[in-house]
Amino acid sequence: EVHLVQSGAEVRKPGATVKISCKVSGYTFTDYYIHWVQQAPGKGLEWMGLVDPEDGDTIYAEKFRGRISVTADTSTDTAYMELSRLRSDDTALYYCATEGGTYPLYYWGLGTLVTVSS
Amino acid sequence: QSALTQPASVSGSPGQSITISCTGTSSDVGGYNYVSWYRQYPGTAPKLMIYEVSSRPSGVSNRFSGSKSGNTASLTISGLQAEDEADYYCSSYTSSSTWVFGGGTKLTVL
Repeated sequence: EVHLVQSGAEVRKPGATVKISCKVSGYTFTDYYIHWVQQAPGKGLEWMGLVDPEDGDTIYAEKFRGRISVTADTSTDTAYMELSRLRSDDTALYYCATEGGTYPLYYWGLGTLVTVSS
Repeated sequence: QSALTQPASVSGSPGQSITISCTGTSSDVGGYNYVSWYRQYPGTAPKLMIYEVSSRPSGVSNRFSGSKSGNTASLTISGLQAEDEADYYCSSYTSSSTWVFGGGTKLTVL
């Protein structure tokens, strides 16, 4: 059974950096991309970027480019999302998600709440 | 990349059918058959309901169907049930090799 286990809630001050982890199990980590999705309180889903664990290639949404870094550690089957220069509007739930064969974004983590506040 | 356009809300009575639209451009919805639909209950992660415009993952009810015409994709839910009340999001692959979501639609079952 596939599981994506995300790290716990974080609180940061404006301008700081946060790094969230997503440990996967139940499938071969390098088989599928890991995506990251932002959901601000009461708002919709926003796709942030992805990493190909096979070779570390990344693609980022234009909105986050320059502030986001997504990586994958094949030794621990864990993906990471680092967001820098945090602002109050980065306060959100951050999900990692992966594909399931031909299914896009089929398996999801439970989300990591990041609160940005002075 | 702008979000895909969805109606903020739709509603229907039990047993009825409803359709949620998702409008993009020729650089996303219109250009690729990689449109997906997700259902999200409050406080939970999204669940994939439709992929590649009209395919259903294993285990998803055949009351859910998808289609596309030009730059607009649609999700239809037939035989509406109380459990269908949720937020629904469309998503599309884009010409920038990124993905984009719609703004979301709140479905109310009257």
